[in-house]
Amino acid sequence: QSVLTQPPSVSAAPGQKVTISCSGSSSNIGINYVSWYQQFPGTAPKLLIYDNDKRPSGIPDRFSGSKSGTSATLDITGLQTADEADYYCGTWDSRLTTGGVFGGGTKLTVV
Amino acid sequence: QVQLVESGGDVVQPGRSLRLSCVASGFTFSSYAIHWVRQAPGKGLEWVAVVSYDGNNKYFADSVKGRFTISRDNPKNTLYLLMNSLRPEDTAVYYCARVLVPAALSPACDIWGQGTTVTVSS
Repeated sequence: QSVLTQPPSVSAAPGQKVTISCSGSSSNIGINYVSWYQQFPGTAPKLLIYDNDKRPSGIPDRFSGSKSGTSATLDITGLQTADEADYYCGTWDSRLTTGGVFGGGTKLTVV
Repeated sequence: QVQLVESGGDVVQPGRSLRLSCVASGFTFSSYAIHWVRQAPGKGLEWVAVVSYDGNNKYFADSVKGRFTISRDNPKNTLYLLMNSLRPEDTAVYYCARVLVPAALSPACDIWGQGTTVTVSS
C-alpha cells in the first residue's frame, strides 16, 4: 500500500490529453514539492516534473504538472505511442518518520 | 559525462549482509544529496534512504530502518548502502539517484544509475 495514491492505469488515443492523479495527505503533498517520473520497462526512471510544475531541461512542454492541496496532477498532451510507460509521483513526507514516498505508479496505454 | 554507476548486487541467503556501492562521475559529488530507491520485480518504486551532501543527515524507510545503513565517501565520489539481516522482501533492483537541487533532500532526482540487482533467497 503506497503512501501516495495513483490510478493503476489510464489510456487515451494518440494526440489526445491524459491526466494522471496523485493523492496524498497534509504531511506529504500538502506541504512538500511533488515530482513526476516516467519509466520504461527495464530502465531507470526519468524525471519529468519537479517542484510541482517545473520541467528539467529537455522535457517537452507536452508534460505539465500541478498541485492543489493534498493532490497533484500530471498532464500529458498530444499523446504519442512513445509515451506509453509507467508514471510515478514522489515527494517528501514530514511525519514523525520522515522520508521519501512514491505513488504506486500508473501504466499509460496509448491506443 | 554525469553519471552514477551501482555495483554490489548479488544473490544472498536470508539473514546475510550485502554492501552496495554507487560511484559518481562528471559532477561535484560532495554537493548533492543521494537517494537509494528500489523496485521489486513487477512492482513500483520504493524509496529506501537518503544521505545529505555532507553525510550528516540520513533518513530511512520504515521497512529498512535498523537494518540498512547509508554512508558516503566524498573524496572517493562513492555512496554505500550496507544491508544487514536481509529478507526475501528486500529482493529488488536498487538504484542510486542524485537530487536535482543540491541543497534539497526531497526525491526529485535527475540522475539515476542503471541499477544493481539484489536477490534474497535460500
